[in-house]
Amino acid sequence: DAKTTQPTSMDCAEGRAANLPCNHSTISGNEYVYWYRQIHSQGPQYIIHGLKNNETNEMASLIITEDRKSSTLILPHATLRDTAVYYCIVRGNTDKLIFGTGTRLQVFP
Amino acid sequence: NAGVTQTPKFQVLKTGQSMTLQCAQDMNHNSMYWYRQDPGMGLRLIYYSASEGTTDKGEVPNGYNVSRLNKREFSLRLESAAPSQTSVYFCASSDQGSPGRRREQYFGPGTRLTVT
Repeated sequence: DAKTTQPTSMDCAEGRAANLPCNHSTISGNEYVYWYRQIHSQGPQYIIHGLKNNETNEMASLIITEDRKSSTLILPHATLRDTAVYYCIVRGNTDKLIFGTGTRLQVFP
Repeated sequence: NAGVTQTPKFQVLKTGQSMTLQCAQDMNHNSMYWYRQDPGMGLRLIYYSASEGTTDKGEVPNGYNVSRLNKREFSLRLESAAPSQTSVYFCASSDQGSPGRRREQYFGPGTRLTVT
């Protein structure tokens, strides 16, 4: 599975959009981009995933560049409860997830 | 549904002691996983089981054994605990299917293990 690169930490004001970038320049054609988050040492929680089209669900939006070498997770209206570590994971036809160190998002009032 | 449950929540062991971490899921998932998470790090896969009766090594299997007792339960055993195994252990389960299906992993609350 391709490796991902994420910033170590980011800040966001409450109510504003949080845009979390992820680079995955070695992604191959059959690999999906998954996002999980981990709130305060709880078990990780699935957020969203996509292949090449932009995706949106009740939690977030995922924007994948046309060349698929990077993506951005968007939390449209961040709240204090969105403070967490966000993991970008590239996943092929396997059930295994390879977690990096993620981005620690701090939402402030 | 309880989802994924883990016992115990906390455990302190002395070096050389053994113990088994228990995990159960009630979502009828085929796949189950054990991860460890060290401070400031992401999760690392120890073992996983794609179906009842099968297990495979992950990234960091040394020092651990697993048993897929049935479809619901997947246990992790430390035969001779070492301080390097101090960590938080997460169990997870997921459905199977084609790559495009959601196949999200559902995680338990974790077991915080300290080996002195």
